[in-house]
Amino acid sequence: DTGVSQNPRHKITKRGQNVTFRCDPISEHNRLYWYRQTLGQGPEFLTYFQNEAQLEKSRLLSDRFSAERPKGSFSTLEIQRTEQGDSAMYLCASTSRTSGTYEQFFGPGTRLTVL
Amino acid sequence: AQSVAQPEDQVNVAEGNPLTVKCTYSVSGNPYLFWYVQYPNRGLQFLLKYITGDNLVKGSYGFEAEFNKSQTSFHLKKPSALVSDSALYFCAVRDMETGGFKTIFGAGTRLFVKA
Repeated sequence: DTGVSQNPRHKITKRGQNVTFRCDPISEHNRLYWYRQTLGQGPEFLTYFQNEAQLEKSRLLSDRFSAERPKGSFSTLEIQRTEQGDSAMYLCASTSRTSGTYEQFFGPGTRLTVL
Repeated sequence: AQSVAQPEDQVNVAEGNPLTVKCTYSVSGNPYLFWYVQYPNRGLQFLLKYITGDNLVKGSYGFEAEFNKSQTSFHLKKPSALVSDSALYFCAVRDMETGGFKTIFGAGTRLFVKA
């Protein structure tokens, strides 16, 4: 499968714990995005990477959230000291710099439940 | 700030009938508009885009969308609905004000196609 993959698909954690999600984009894509989606809402932009550089970060992202893309390939999203309000689907998407369509390819998401 | 609105939470249509899913937008400058579809337990999939050119754009699975600048709308249409079209549809706009990195999604419209 050459699509965007995300792991784990589901994560249940207790409030106050740290969690880390991984996203593997399509191999030739240099642009990577993280979104959060809650029930009944559309995806909400969190952050954007071009290669290994984090070029944009939502003001909605608190200091408890951090994302990395150390080698310009896979990316991780870490949430420290999770809160119940962090429960959501976390989506990763990628696209190519040379893509003229601006189409983003989305992974299946990681569903986080904070108890 | 750029935004999109999907005024209908749900659209019901009988199989074989034409369908329309509405979207209006608010942008400064030229809009970059998209439609994505989300099937249960699957990631978002790109349907079509409007960047420039013809106001009627064609996309995947027989869908098309009409860009109307005067009404600031970008409605999704299909001449003959299929039961398999039942899914969650998102309209989106690329936020060119902040460099074009961020895509802003609407809240989504759930389409039910009845056999």
